[in-house]
Amino acid sequence: QVHLVASGGGVVQPGGSLRLSCAASGFSLSTYGMHWVRQAPGKGLEWVAFMRYDGSHKWHADSVKGRFTISRDNSKNTLYLQMNNLRTEDTAEYYCATMGSGQQLDYWGQGTLVTVSS
Amino acid sequence: QTVVTQEPSFSVSPGGTVTLTCALTSGSVSTNYLPSWYQQAPGQAPRTLIYSTNTRSSGVPDRFSGSILDNKAALTITGAQADDEADYYCLLYMGSGVWVFGGGTKVTVL
Repeated sequence: QVHLVASGGGVVQPGGSLRLSCAASGFSLSTYGMHWVRQAPGKGLEWVAFMRYDGSHKWHADSVKGRFTISRDNSKNTLYLQMNNLRTEDTAEYYCATMGSGQQLDYWGQGTLVTVSS
Repeated sequence: QTVVTQEPSFSVSPGGTVTLTCALTSGSVSTNYLPSWYQQAPGQAPRTLIYSTNTRSSGVPDRFSGSILDNKAALTITGAQADDEADYYCLLYMGSGVWVFGGGTKVTVL
């Protein structure tokens, strides 16, 4: 059974850094492309980043490009999101999700909350 | 910049039918965008309903269906139930490793 657990969220000051983790169980992460998606409080979903199953390619939304980096360690069955130079507008619940055969987001984790505030 | 638009809200009676749409501010939505749909109940993670325009995800009731209508992606709920009350989001794959969500539609069943 596919299970994703996101962690690493917390409160950080503007300009600070955080690294989010997404631990997978019940399946091998190495067979799935993986996404990060975020949702600001009371707002809609925003796609953040995607990495191919083998780590060969990665893409980031323009809003985070140059500040956030998606990565993965298939040996640890874990996906990461390194977030640097955080801004107040990065405050959101962050979800990880697998990519399905039709370019859809398939299985979702439960989310981890990042709050950027002074 | 590409913007994907959805109706902000819809109200439907129990047992009724409602069609939500997903449009581009510039251009038409086709199957090439591989539209997918997600349901999000309050306080919960999203759940995948439809992918590749009209394929239901595992375990999704057949009262949910997807299509292309008038150059927009569409999600139809036929025979709405109380637990269909949620926010619904479409997602389009723009190519070159870029995905864009619509702004979401809040569906009320009353």
